[in-house]
Amino acid sequence: AQRVTQPEKLLSVFKGAPVELKCNYSYSGSPELFWYVQYSRQRLQLLLRHISRESIKGFTADLNKGETSFHLKKPFAQEEDSAMYYCALRVPYGGSQGNLIFGKGTKLSVKP
Amino acid sequence: KAGVTQTPRYLIKTRGQQVTLSCSPISGHRSVSWYQQTPGQGLQFLFEYFSETQRNKGNFPGRFSGRQFSNSRSEMNVSTLELGDSALYLCASSLGTSGRGLEQYFGPGTRLTVL
Repeated sequence: AQRVTQPEKLLSVFKGAPVELKCNYSYSGSPELFWYVQYSRQRLQLLLRHISRESIKGFTADLNKGETSFHLKKPFAQEEDSAMYYCALRVPYGGSQGNLIFGKGTKLSVKP
Repeated sequence: KAGVTQTPRYLIKTRGQQVTLSCSPISGHRSVSWYQQTPGQGLQFLFEYFSETQRNKGNFPGRFSGRQFSNSRSEMNVSTLELGDSALYLCASSLGTSGRGLEQYFGPGTRLTVL
């Protein structure tokens, strides 16, 4: 079965420090991977997706099929990055086509 | 463009009752998905509707059901409520049936508390 694992429940860094939120997945095919973010009192929103290969708010994520990972990185964390981050996988075809499978999330806290 | 709206935002029910939650997608969006969010299990997929047809269903008991109307608005129903059904229920809409690259936009959620 497809699964997304985010090993850290909480990650605390200082402003200006690099940050890496880990995400590992289990799926034998070619999945779509996403990072969603939920700021305090706001709704869940898409941060970035692997097929776009884009950088949003300074964050990047590279899909590593060999290690089945999709870690989220930012070289210099800002206080406004403090939020809950969810990694999600979408199976592009098959019985579970379309729905997102979420990890349990990592709470990022950026201290001043 | 207005975002995804969900009503009601908060709901308190007792065990054994049933509840109906409503979701209005972004105008023009035809796909609606529902997710359950709990502290223990995180975000779990319930079902997806497109053009009034259920296209996908997660691993939830038959007490959880849903439907979609011709205007793409969707409702989900939970019958015979249990304490474990207490959760935040999120609705997400997208332009079409979920496929490569289609972004899901989430609503604020309905917080259901079962006493």
